[in-house]
Amino acid sequence: GAGVSQSPSNKVTEKGKDVELRCDPISGHTALYWYRQRLGQGLEFLIYFQGNSAPDKSGLPSDRFSAERTGESVSTLTIQRTQQEDSAVYLCASSPWMESQRDIQYFGAGTRLSVL
Amino acid sequence: AQRVTQPEKLLSVFKGAPVELKCNYSYSGSPELFWYVQYSRQRLQLLLRHISRESIKGFTADLNKGETSFHLKKPFAQEEDSAMYYCALKTGGTSYGKLTFGQGTILTVHP
Repeated sequence: GAGVSQSPSNKVTEKGKDVELRCDPISGHTALYWYRQRLGQGLEFLIYFQGNSAPDKSGLPSDRFSAERTGESVSTLTIQRTQQEDSAVYLCASSPWMESQRDIQYFGAGTRLSVL
Repeated sequence: AQRVTQPEKLLSVFKGAPVELKCNYSYSGSPELFWYVQYSRQRLQLLLRHISRESIKGFTADLNKGETSFHLKKPFAQEEDSAMYYCALKTGGTSYGKLTFGQGTILTVHP
């Protein structure tokens, strides 16, 4: 079946502009995660959603970052007033509801954001 | 705060040689450790998790709580093992949970 889908695959923007990144998780996956990967570094956790629970926003680096999720489907990560240090690959992942596999995260291909 | 350290950014071996990718973690709670792999032009995907105690593609990893390590090993490396490998730690004690990743190790297996 289809995997985690992210759009756009690449985004170039000017400093100060707002951007929206989209993630479509695997159908039926109840948990959804956002990570950021800066050049030459590991993945940094940003936020995660699980069912109707309040999202874990502990990784968001500033109040310019926000994310929403509609039910158990699409999520949008919004970065306001982008800065050059926001340039990175933004990865989305989702996890299934089955107890035995909830700890497995399935990743999308990512959105490469470049802030000029 | 939790932390994952992969001391080697680059690791090169020849085909048929043993390979060990090192991973150390720091976490005060009960850790759950994973290895994720990203092959060229592919997505990041799970390789193995410590709770499964499986061997995947010939790789194994043992959680050593005394040494706070979760090293990935394979006795005979193959060219197709060339990839970026990330060690990751899940915290929170629930089935779901965010991952803390190491910075990754690029493994190159030469013919």
